[in-house]
Amino acid sequence: AQSVTQLGSHVSVSEGALVLLRCNYSSSVPPYLFWYVQYPNQGLQLLLKYTTGATLVKGINGFEAEFKKSETSFHLTKPSAHMSDAAEYFCAVTYTDKLIFGTGTRLQVFP
Amino acid sequence: DTEVTQTPKHLVMGMTNKKSLKCEQHMGHRAMYWYKQKAKKPPELMFVYSYEKLSINESVPSRFSPECPNSSLLNLHLHALQPEDSALYLCASSHGPRLGSDTEAFFGQGTRLTVV
Repeated sequence: AQSVTQLGSHVSVSEGALVLLRCNYSSSVPPYLFWYVQYPNQGLQLLLKYTTGATLVKGINGFEAEFKKSETSFHLTKPSAHMSDAAEYFCAVTYTDKLIFGTGTRLQVFP
Repeated sequence: DTEVTQTPKHLVMGMTNKKSLKCEQHMGHRAMYWYKQKAKKPPELMFVYSYEKLSINESVPSRFSPECPNSSLLNLHLHALQPEDSALYLCASSHGPRLGSDTEAFFGQGTRLTVV
């Protein structure tokens, strides 16, 4: 079965610092991978997705992720954090018509 | 219109009540989903409807009863719930009949359910 693992349930950065949220998937074949963001008391919003093709994927709000098959990783990055980036971030993979979520990483941004 | 709309936003119900959650999308999506999300946890899939037919039921208790009256509307009927059923209930839809390839899911804002 497909699954994703998010290392670090909490990540704290200063405003303007690099954001790195980690996601590893378990699969012997290239999966379809997604990053979603959830603001407090809100639904989930798609940040970006990897299907096939270019391994560096650009998303909304300045986020990007790189698919690395050799490392089975799909880490999310943003060069400069903003206060408004504080939220819960979920990595997800599709498997047999289901969207399987990782356990989530809460990003805190300090001024 | 790229929204999935859920009503109500908040719901408090007693354990003997019957209530319904409503989800609507007008993006022409052919698959719709119900997820349950407990505090500080990821969403968990409950049901999947594909072309208005129930295609996946993740062994959800019968006190939760989904209904898809048409391709734009998805309901979740609630009866005899327990306090542990209190959670954020999220509806989602996707373009294709199933997830995969570049078919991402679009989520609503959720209904915050409290069972007392």
